[in-house]
Amino acid sequence: QQQVKQSPQSLIVQKGGISIINCAYENTAFDYFPWYQQFPGKGPALLIAIRPDVSEKKEGRFTISFNKSAKQFSLHIMDSQPGDSATYFCAPLDRGTTTDSWGKLQFGAGTQVVVTP
Amino acid sequence: DGGITQSPKYLFRKEGQNVTLSCEQNLNHDAMYWYRQDPGQGLRLIYYSQIVNDFQKGDIAEGYSVSREKKESFPLTVTSAQKNPTAFYLCASSRTSGGAGTDTQYFGPGTRLTVL
Repeated sequence: QQQVKQSPQSLIVQKGGISIINCAYENTAFDYFPWYQQFPGKGPALLIAIRPDVSEKKEGRFTISFNKSAKQFSLHIMDSQPGDSATYFCAPLDRGTTTDSWGKLQFGAGTQVVVTP
Repeated sequence: DGGITQSPKYLFRKEGQNVTLSCEQNLNHDAMYWYRQDPGQGLRLIYYSQIVNDFQKGDIAEGYSVSREKKESFPLTVTSAQKNPTAFYLCASSRTSGGAGTDTQYFGPGTRLTVL
């Protein structure tokens, strides 16, 4: 079953503009909400992540907004640059039924962002 | 220079052949993962291993096999039973204990497998 729904599928933004990507989830047991960035032909890399005890986290031009009641979180890329052109994945963490401190990531389908000069 | 290496970068296979993809990490991570990525889709988990000599099936394990004989190595075999093996395969690793930082997975550069 699809636990994570990511939108939009693709996004074109002009240099200096704002890119916004949304992620909706069903599993209320998720307790860690990262965004991964992937360049063509490369593996994904962690970009920014948030835990559910805060509603917003900002790192440079990247901000996560988290709405626990709506079961949604979003990535905002401010002052978008051509170097930000990549595919972005939300991937909330499912720890399952164990008390382990680690878990499995549930990836969204990805959003391809293109920043035009 | 710590990280995850995958080899080969490109792999071509004839139908009916088994192939093995290599994944090595020197991050001293206990957990390792294999994902499959198809165009327009997110990453889907094939197998994962929390510790040496133990591994579990992920969401799409049919037609694949793994081994975990050493902490730093987690090879994936794509067998002839996998009906549609052409894809981009990604290996990842993470810590399994120690609080903050256990949630981050570190990915290798991937292997692109094409069935001819």
